[in-house]
Amino acid sequence: DTEVTQTPKHLVMGMTNKKSLKCEQHMGHRAMYWYKQKAKKPPELMFVYSYEKLSINESVPSRFSPECPNSSLLNLHLHALQPEDSALYLCATRLAGGVDTQYFGPGTRLTVL
Amino acid sequence: DAKTTQPPSMDCAEGRAANLPCNHSTISGNEYVYWYRQIHSQGPQYIIHGLKNNETNEMASLIITEDRKSSTLILPHATLRDTAVYYCIVSSYAGNNRKLIWGLGTSLAVNP
Repeated sequence: DTEVTQTPKHLVMGMTNKKSLKCEQHMGHRAMYWYKQKAKKPPELMFVYSYEKLSINESVPSRFSPECPNSSLLNLHLHALQPEDSALYLCATRLAGGVDTQYFGPGTRLTVL
Repeated sequence: DAKTTQPPSMDCAEGRAANLPCNHSTISGNEYVYWYRQIHSQGPQYIIHGLKNNETNEMASLIITEDRKSSTLILPHATLRDTAVYYCIVSSYAGNNRKLIWGLGTSLAVNP
């Protein structure tokens, strides 16, 4: 299995809602990433998990809360988001160790009303 | 962190080679050059990477200058499906982790 899957594909939420994005991989990769991508911009790193531990938080607001319950799953919990948080949210995985190549999922298109 | 500079857009005729340039003049000795592409609103797709030597795989070739300050991604026979944004990226250490430092990308249009 060489795929990274993300659910849902699309999500519309209000500013008072709580929702979660899910990322799953079965490649045995031990580093997992969340990125945010606005239109016509490159992906922007949010969080990195390495061996299920949070290793990088790029000063992301606390309304985004990541979770890595096991080596195959990565969640991003959303609460009290703002309209400017509307974006494509991408998950990526990496083998870990000295290998840099990241493999991306298809993304979740989030709209905050 | 090293940064990359790419032309914002390029055109290429179908069946011809597409040569996408990238400048990374501040790259460090242990930083790799990566190329990814992103077809509209899909997840980025890995193409190729290299450190010093030229590299080739089934998708593309990567030519890195001897001083490592620039590189060129070559798609040997571009097709309409190669229309995408192509990102030149430098991988960088952040503590024990690797980060990808993304350029702004080149929007490649392959025309019939």
